[in-house]
Amino acid sequence: AQSVTQLGSHVSVSEGALVLLRCNYSSSVPPYLFWYVQYPNQGLQLLLKYTSAATLVKGINGFEAEFKKSETSFHLTKPSAHMSDAAEYFCAVSDQANRDDKIIFGKGTRLHILP
Amino acid sequence: DTGVSQNPRHKITKRGQNVTFRCDPISEHNRLYWYRQTLGQGPEFLTYFQNEAQLEKSRLLSDRFSAERPKGSFSTLEIQRTEQGDSAMYLCASSFVGGYNEQFFGPGTRLTVL
Repeated sequence: AQSVTQLGSHVSVSEGALVLLRCNYSSSVPPYLFWYVQYPNQGLQLLLKYTSAATLVKGINGFEAEFKKSETSFHLTKPSAHMSDAAEYFCAVSDQANRDDKIIFGKGTRLHILP
Repeated sequence: DTGVSQNPRHKITKRGQNVTFRCDPISEHNRLYWYRQTLGQGPEFLTYFQNEAQLEKSRLLSDRFSAERPKGSFSTLEIQRTEQGDSAMYLCASSFVGGYNEQFFGPGTRLTVL
């Protein structure tokens, strides 16, 4: 079975500071990994995805994530936080071998940006 | 590309009533997924369709829940005899088979059962 664990349900950073949201995955098969963002009362928007083409994945809004198989991690980073980054972020996993399968989501990390 | 749309956006109902939600996927997408999200949690998978065929149902989908995608385009999710525990955001997503499982989500329908 696949799963993801997001470390920290709430993270606060100052505007302009580094954003680091942690995600560890568990999968017995090569995974696809995703980060989604959710603004209040909205659906989920895909930030970036890992599909095994490259371990460092760049996404929208200046976010990037690095796939580390040895650490089973897929942490999300952004060099400089903006107020508009305040939202809920979800790490997610699905099965590469069974494409188009359901996605398994973590519980989410709410990012707070301090002025 | 108009994106995934869901109607209604909000639904308030009394316990015991039936409710139906609709999802219109991106037009060229042949996979359609339903998820449920409760407060403070990530979305949980309910069911998915490829064209009109329902391929998998989660154990979360009790017999009070039924989903259809009759013509392989829009989908409906019906909840019969609603309970307070059904209160949640119901999310729909769609994708194109053969990609990297990039699922595009709609804005969701928030259900409140009184």
